[in-house]
Amino acid sequence: GQQVMQIPQYQHVQEGEDFTTYCNSSTTLSNIQWYKQRPGGHPVFLIQLVKSGEVKKQKRLTFQFGEAKKNSSLHITATQTTDVGTYFCAIGGSTSGTYKYIFGTGTRLKVLA
Amino acid sequence: DGGITQSPKYLFRKEGQNVTLSCEQNLNHDAMYWYRQDPGQGLRLIYYSQIVNDFQKGDIAEGYSVSREKKESFPLTVTSAQKNPTAFYLCASSILRGTGANVLTFGAGSRLTVL
Repeated sequence: GQQVMQIPQYQHVQEGEDFTTYCNSSTTLSNIQWYKQRPGGHPVFLIQLVKSGEVKKQKRLTFQFGEAKKNSSLHITATQTTDVGTYFCAIGGSTSGTYKYIFGTGTRLKVLA
Repeated sequence: DGGITQSPKYLFRKEGQNVTLSCEQNLNHDAMYWYRQDPGQGLRLIYYSQIVNDFQKGDIAEGYSVSREKKESFPLTVTSAQKNPTAFYLCASSILRGTGANVLTFGAGSRLTVL
């Protein structure tokens, strides 16, 4: 079935440093979603990318979808302690005719003040 | 407030016992999902349902069972056949559009510990 690899697994940064997490798929994707899970919480939707080469921004967060629609990245500029959590990418939806969402393994971000 | 309610939040179970986790949504979403999350790991799909009285196995369905008798409800039973049931269980729901992906809304989760 579909799989998505996410790297790195963990990232510790000093507050103010940048952070990037990557998702890679062996197959072409119709779309990709990003979620954030705070420690002890549940995943919350951040954004969805659909178009090849698409770039979307949310304040200090920049999301990119690769030209071949096989990879995506989330970049946080000047991290803050509120950015702590695990960031997941998710693929699926109606691509295969079923509404099945597969999540990456996540990148756990720790921000040191 | 619309949302997804999972109960109980914490549950302890003895080995060999079945336990049922509740998931109720008032978002009028068509699809519902159950994921399992182990410490420091990602989300793995257990079961999902796109319509009442129908559901499909996810990647780790063995030892679990579900029902979808009402659109609003998608309970998950963790049976004694599940060898390592201690985990954080997340329920989610989404609307279904004809094309493209749909956003998942998650409940707060149920943490199951087997003693």
